[in-house]
Amino acid sequence: NAGVTQTPKFRILKIGQSMTLQCAQDMNHNYMYWYRQDPGMGLKLIYYSVGAGITDKGEVPNGYNVSRSTTEDFPLRLELAAPSQTSVYFCASTSGGGYNEQFFGPGTRLTVL
Amino acid sequence: DQQVKQNSPSLSVQEGRISILNCDYTNSMFDYFLWYKKYPAEGPTFLISISSIKDKNEDGRFTVFLNKSAKHLSLHIVPSQPGDSAVYFCAASARGSQGNLIFGKGTKLSVKP
Repeated sequence: NAGVTQTPKFRILKIGQSMTLQCAQDMNHNYMYWYRQDPGMGLKLIYYSVGAGITDKGEVPNGYNVSRSTTEDFPLRLELAAPSQTSVYFCASTSGGGYNEQFFGPGTRLTVL
Repeated sequence: DQQVKQNSPSLSVQEGRISILNCDYTNSMFDYFLWYKKYPAEGPTFLISISSIKDKNEDGRFTVFLNKSAKHLSLHIVPSQPGDSAVYFCAASARGSQGNLIFGKGTKLSVKP
């Protein structure tokens, strides 16, 4: 099992550009999550999904969109990138939403200039 | 307002001694708590968890204690090893939150040989 994979590892964007961060998992997990981590801070939830076709907002959803067309993939879309979106983005998955640990990908480091 | 607080940004311990990492929370709806370990340029990895019906959970060198009345939990690592040097995040989730995790800011542990 590859676990949770994320691409790209690094990306530099100009203000106003758009991009999609890819996330995939091969553990047949229903629940998937996107977090961002700013320097010196904890992770904050952007969006989550409890299954294919179902998504919902987390704590910091503004400026982002998600879709979940398959169990395996959960891409995160940034529209009109802003410097405030400079962060490290982590995708995670778990089999159940309650009392189960989440498995994290290696992260995508995004810089918006 | 931070719902999960890790008030010590860093901790330095001698190899072989005990490391104690602390975490406080404010939301009484939290009923599941987790500790994650994070190395630089990697995603967080799950370490240990505890549900609110327990006050202690042990896994090898790692023990988590939960004091619900004080809204406090701690992670004990005995004995500490240089490979334990990492950032440790405390996280919590509330019943019905679909597993959404609220993270503290982390504590950087350095274990010196």
